This record gives sequence, C-alpha cells and structure tokens, in this order.
Amino acid sequence: DTEVTQTPKHLVMGMTNKKSLKCEQHMGHRAMYWYKQKAKKPPELMFVYSYEKLSINESVPSRFSPECPNSSLLNLHLHALQPEDSALYLCASSQDLREIRTDTQYFGPGTRLTVL
Amino acid sequence: GQNIDQPTEMTATEGAIVQINCTYQTSGFNGLFWYQQHAGEAPTFLSYNVLDGLEEKGRFSSFLSRSKGYSYLLLKELQMKDSASYLCAVMGYNTDKLIFGTGTRLQVFP
Repeated sequence: DTEVTQTPKHLVMGMTNKKSLKCEQHMGHRAMYWYKQKAKKPPELMFVYSYEKLSINESVPSRFSPECPNSSLLNLHLHALQPEDSALYLCASSQDLREIRTDTQYFGPGTRLTVL
Repeated sequence: GQNIDQPTEMTATEGAIVQINCTYQTSGFNGLFWYQQHAGEAPTFLSYNVLDGLEEKGRFSSFLSRSKGYSYLLLKELQMKDSASYLCAVMGYNTDKLIFGTGTRLQVFP
C-alpha cells in the first residue's frame, strides 16, 4: 500500500480566511513533504518534515504554516493568502532511510486551492 | 547550481516506442526518479536509478549514465492512457530535497 490521502480535494477561500489542508499516510514513513504546483510547471518543494521535525523550509511566506502532529499526519495552515497562491498543493511521504537517503517519495492526490 | 533539462513536449503514435531524455547538473547525486503525472492528478512513481545502466519494468524502462549526467525513460507499446507529463527528478547527496525537471508533456495519438 503506497497511499497518501489529502483533504479536501478542492478548496476555495477568500484572502481573509483561515483554512487548513490535511495529509495522512499509514505506511510508517518518517519523512513528509509539502509541494506547490502551478499549471504546467513541476512541483516546487515548500517544507520537509523528518521524524516530525521541520528539516527544510524553502523560504516559504509565513502565511503558510506547516504542522506535523504525529508521524502519520501533516497539516498546512493557511492564513491571509493571495490570489497568486492558487495552485495544486501536493503532500508526499517517504521512508526517510537516513543511512541511504534514496527513498522514493509517494504523492497524495493533492488539494486544488483557489484564492479569491 | 542545479539544472535539469527535458524536452517540453513530445508526440507519438499508439503502439510505437518513445524515448524521453533528461540531462542534469546538480551539486551531488543520490539517485534519479521518473514520475508520471496526468493532468490535475498527483505524480505517480515510475522508476528509480542510482547506478549506471538500464532498469526495466514492464513497458517502461529507465537508463542512467552518471558520467554524462544523462537519463532517459523509454515507453514501449504506447497506449492512449500514456498521454501525460513525465517528470525527471534528482535527489542530491545527503538531502531530503528532490529537484524536479520542468517535465515533458507526451501526447499519444491513435
């Protein structure tokens, strides 16, 4: 089973709203990722959590706030977003084999976010 | 710097063979991945190469030459459902960061 689930599938929000995206995996993976993908572009890494600790923040604006409550869950809290933040937000997970560091990332179906 | 190049678009005919090339220049190398992504969907893992040579998996094969910074994805017996974007991605050394190429949009015609 290589399933990563994300909710909601679609989200429309105003610039003053606060919302959260959720991601879940039950593969025992210890690394989880948030990516942002605009149309016809490759995914852009936003955050990486390794063993529930934030290991990479790709200089993402503070209106995006990640949270990893436990090893299976990853949230992305959204506040005061801009229309240009509209995109597909992808979650991924991997085993995080620290000795080898060649583990495959498996992606969830994504949340399509529209900011009005 | 980090640079991964792929052709932007390719077309092919159902039943044919197509090769999608990827060249990379990255600071450190710890493996190259190919993903398939249908429009509006998540990337799906296809293959992984870390040593030179060819990895075959059904209709799909992936090749790597580390000395040349070069990989290709070979798709045989093309089907209409193979119409998708194909993303080449490189894992740098001692990092959790996967660097993606711009992707190749493949269109398969009857």
